Amino acid sequence: GENVEQHPSTLSVQEGDSAVIKCTYSDSASNYFPWYKQELGKGPQLIIDIRSNVGEKKDQRIAVTLNKTAKHFSLHITETQPEDSAVYFCAAEARDDKIIFGKGTRLHILP
Amino acid sequence: SAVISQKPSRDICQRGTSLTIQCQVDSQVTMMFWYRQQPGQSLTLIATANQGSEATYESGFVIDKFPISRPNLTFSTLTVSNMSPEDSSIYLCSVDRAGAGEQYFGPGTRLTVT
Repeated sequence: GENVEQHPSTLSVQEGDSAVIKCTYSDSASNYFPWYKQELGKGPQLIIDIRSNVGEKKDQRIAVTLNKTAKHFSLHITETQPEDSAVYFCAAEARDDKIIFGKGTRLHILP
Repeated sequence: SAVISQKPSRDICQRGTSLTIQCQVDSQVTMMFWYRQQPGQSLTLIATANQGSEATYESGFVIDKFPISRPNLTFSTLTVSNMSPEDSSIYLCSVDRAGAGEQYFGPGTRLTVT
């Protein structure tokens, strides 16, 4: 079945700098890759997603890239702000339409 | 997106008892899911609950321990039965409104079993 690996597990960046989180997946049939942000005490929030028919998608300060050949995708956050501090999960849709999550990245934005 | 509420938001329960968690959605959805998130961990799918059919459980989860009801297109319940401290987790429901893979999550129910 699908397996999603996510790195790093923890990431600290200075406010204003960029943050990059990387994920790999195992099933070449996967074609939908969402990213979730989870703040303390809340449920995961879908922040951006990408489908296999595009290589990059951008929404204001966040962007996601997808390399289907290499089976990896990344989240890029530019001009980081304190409110970006959270746990971020990448995910991939498996053949049976279920979502398989990575283990998460705890992002700390340093003042 | 979808507006999803869960009740209770948190609870502390004694071992051996059961707790039923409710999930309410602001619009009709076919596909609903129940997840468990242990402290500091990722999300693990417990079961898929589609209206009009029996819930489908993932490996490691059984109906006797986690019975699910899905009486209509806006509501579902998950019961955690005969609880032990190992059941202490956050339980989350999610919905896929369009059937396109985009899942939206409720705020979660934080369960502590003593």
